[in-house]
Amino acid sequence: KAGVTQTPRYLIKTRGQQVTLSCSPISGHRSVSWYQQTPGQGLQFLFEYFSETQRNKGNFPGRFSGRQFSNSRSEMNVSTLELGDSALYLCASRTRGNKQYFGPGTRLTVT
Amino acid sequence: QKEVEQDPGPLSVPEGAIVSLNCTYSNSAFQYFMWYRQYSRKGPELLMYTYSSGNKEDGRFTAQVDKSSKYISLFIRDSQPSDSATYLCAIPQWLRSGGSNYKLTFGKGTLLTVNP
Repeated sequence: KAGVTQTPRYLIKTRGQQVTLSCSPISGHRSVSWYQQTPGQGLQFLFEYFSETQRNKGNFPGRFSGRQFSNSRSEMNVSTLELGDSALYLCASRTRGNKQYFGPGTRLTVT
Repeated sequence: QKEVEQDPGPLSVPEGAIVSLNCTYSNSAFQYFMWYRQYSRKGPELLMYTYSSGNKEDGRFTAQVDKSSKYISLFIRDSQPSDSATYLCAIPQWLRSGGSNYKLTFGKGTLLTVNP
């Protein structure tokens, strides 16, 4: 079975721009979560989507948003980028169980 | 108090050493505990998954949970250079019943280097 895939793998943006990241979960997994990883804060939960509905949201500003499509694929959007948004953005999928499987991440650099 | 705290390291050991990685958590209601391994420039991969107290062994890896002191550990026996990675403890939480509203709370990770 193919793992979680994320595109693009690397991205460089300028402050004030917006960015959209894409995630394809493992086949059959309906839950998709997004995490932000930085050296200072570590891995932090952004949000979870299940059946096209946001089920849970972490403590991030409204500039961070996402959506899920009927095929379970998900996108994450960050508007009005700030330097502090530079991070590795990780997508993870799971079935109804507890085990969450991560993709390789998208490395976002904001200049 | 943070929900999950992890010894930050970094940790450098010679090949063949026994490695001990540790986390503490604040909420006594937590019942599931995970360890993820993350190689440089990769996403985290699930290494060990335990429920409640006690030990779980998988090859050279042993996960230990002490619920009385809210302490979780990962031991690596006969460590190899290929074990060099960041190790993250993680605790799943459900904010609603039925399996939805799920999130993982991570420790900050310990960078381990095993020197040949």
